[in-house]
Amino acid sequence: DSGVTQTPKHLITATGQRVTLRCSPRSGDLSVYWYQQSLDQGLQFLIHYYNGEERAKGNILERFSAQQFPDLHSELNLSSLELGDSALYFCASSEGPGDYGYTFGSGTRLTVV
Amino acid sequence: DQQVKQNSPSLSVQEGRISILNCDYTNSMFDYFLWYKKYPAEGPTFLISISSIKDKNEDGRFTVFLNKSAKHLSLHIVPSQPGDSAVYFCAAGPAGSARQLTFGSGTQLTVLP
Repeated sequence: DSGVTQTPKHLITATGQRVTLRCSPRSGDLSVYWYQQSLDQGLQFLIHYYNGEERAKGNILERFSAQQFPDLHSELNLSSLELGDSALYFCASSEGPGDYGYTFGSGTRLTVV
Repeated sequence: DQQVKQNSPSLSVQEGRISILNCDYTNSMFDYFLWYKKYPAEGPTFLISISSIKDKNEDGRFTVFLNKSAKHLSLHIVPSQPGDSAVYFCAAGPAGSARQLTFGSGTQLTVLP
């Protein structure tokens, strides 16, 4: 157990729907990162929050949004889902805004049918 | 545009021998490099890192080498053990305050007993 909790572990939904993925960082970590891993590809950076504020954005689609709440948990919202959004979504956390050695959660596998 | 490339999708090595995993990058702005290990159904786990001011970093059986002129890094595992069988991701981060990582597509290492 890495200490980073992601729920749900698996999610199957239909095209056009909206889903919310949840991440609880390790105790004491203020940074949360979201990454997407599509089939046979590396992890693609989506967004970084530090202590409730957005710090950096990657190639995140406009249909996707995220936030970090006062209790430091984060949610990734994916809307108007398409087949191509099927992927593993990882959350990672770190103590500060500038730490590279993140701790990853075990991911949420999203399948869009 | 793949800024971090792992050209070998898989590698098989005999137990006790050396495993060498390779990674190439194209972005000169990268100044920090990491290797992550990933087992099935788990998130990536940080393994070892190196900053651009060094050319070698060693941690037990794991050594990372960085050749900046060739924009190439490698991970050596010696001796290899069956428990090292996993997917290994190379990742790179930019200079400055941004801490998002760019990942390669991974190499599946299989250590044969």
